Amino acid sequence: DTGVSQDPRHKITKRGQNVTFRCDPISEHNRLYWYRQTLGQGPEFLTYFQNEAQLEKSRLLSDRFSAERPKGSFSTLEIQRTEQGDSAMYLCASSHPGQGMVYTFGSGTRLTVV
Amino acid sequence: DAKTTQPPSMDCAEGRAANLPCNHSTISGNEYVYWYRQIHSQGPQYIIHGLKNNETNEMASLIITEDRKSSTLILPHATLRDTAVYYCIVRASANAGNNRKLIWGLGTSLAVNP
Repeated sequence: DTGVSQDPRHKITKRGQNVTFRCDPISEHNRLYWYRQTLGQGPEFLTYFQNEAQLEKSRLLSDRFSAERPKGSFSTLEIQRTEQGDSAMYLCASSHPGQGMVYTFGSGTRLTVV
Repeated sequence: DAKTTQPPSMDCAEGRAANLPCNHSTISGNEYVYWYRQIHSQGPQYIIHGLKNNETNEMASLIITEDRKSSTLILPHATLRDTAVYYCIVRASANAGNNRKLIWGLGTSLAVNP
């Protein structure tokens, strides 16, 4: 296991379409996070899972956004009825419970809504 | 969580030490200082963290002032591959509670020049 994997790396979609991103964390990490990053800004927290439980969700996440981690392993982030403002890099990270706030990030999925 | 202040940009000559400052004057006693960096088009990468004492690992050294109101990340021999945005984040590392998010600022954009 070499790290956190995200798929796809790039996604171009038309406004109004639904998109789904996948994240595979490091296998020993039971905590998984989704962040969003727009150009020139730091990452913004979206949501956090411990095993399969979604324990925290940002108010940034509108009803169009949903995340799941059904078996406590991989996670998906779905955006319904995409808008141009959803264009961003979507980052996934995972962490081990004994490592505090040390995250391992994936390379991200860059979403462009046209 | 305490806020941090970092210079927006810095330059460093290749082979010289890069000293990146961070001000966190409102830090609480149980809050750690974390450093991450983000190379262009990649996810953030953990560098180092500390509470009170200076820390060193294979990537960098972290110097925290005695009053803990500021810190400096030192890259002892900067290379071109160290060109990145460096983020200083202050966060309690306790595992209690469901608040696991990191609050990211704008960071310092470090350019290592040949």
